[in-house]
Amino acid sequence: GIQVEQSPPDLILQEGANSTLRCNFSDSVNNLQWFHQNPWGQLINLFYIPSGTKQNGRLSATTVATERYSLLYISSSQTTDSGVYFCAVSTGTASKLTFGTGTRLQVTL
Amino acid sequence: DVKVTQSSRYLVKRTGEKVFLECVQDMDHENMFWYRQDPGLGLRLIYFSYDVKMKEKGDIPEGYSVSREKKERFSLILESASTNQTSMYLCASSFHTPTGHYGYTFGSGTRLTVV
Repeated sequence: GIQVEQSPPDLILQEGANSTLRCNFSDSVNNLQWFHQNPWGQLINLFYIPSGTKQNGRLSATTVATERYSLLYISSSQTTDSGVYFCAVSTGTASKLTFGTGTRLQVTL
Repeated sequence: DVKVTQSSRYLVKRTGEKVFLECVQDMDHENMFWYRQDPGLGLRLIYFSYDVKMKEKGDIPEGYSVSREKKERFSLILESASTNQTSMYLCASSFHTPTGHYGYTFGSGTRLTVV
């Protein structure tokens, strides 16, 4: 099956700093999503981005499908950005997602 | 507010017990999923369902079964719980838009400990 690798595995930032999270995948995908899991365990969908660039406030994402990677940018980080960020993909007509192992982000004051 | 509700936040069961984890969604979604989350492994798909009475195995179905008798409810069953099934279990539902977007909503998870 498709492999999804995320880097870095852990990241510590001071409030106000910017960061880039990376997701590499091993095959062509028709669905790529970024999720944020808050410290209480709730997973929230951030972006649906199988290709191209999207922005939502301080967050933006870019997927280069031909090179099989996606980037999530966090600007002016806040403590509420802490948690785990997951990249997830699917192929073909299936809606089931394959998740990466996540990037754990801690934003400190 | 649309929701996926998991019946228990925390659960402790004994080895060999039959365990039921319940998930209910109120969004009329066709697709429902059960994942387990373990440190360093991300989320792994156990079973999923595209319709009532339909089920398909995910990546790690061994030791689990599922039931979907009604569209809004998807149950995960541990036939004989073992300590290696201690984990966080996450239920999700999804819809499919004409543009191919699968919108996912997750429940808040059930942390199961098998002793």
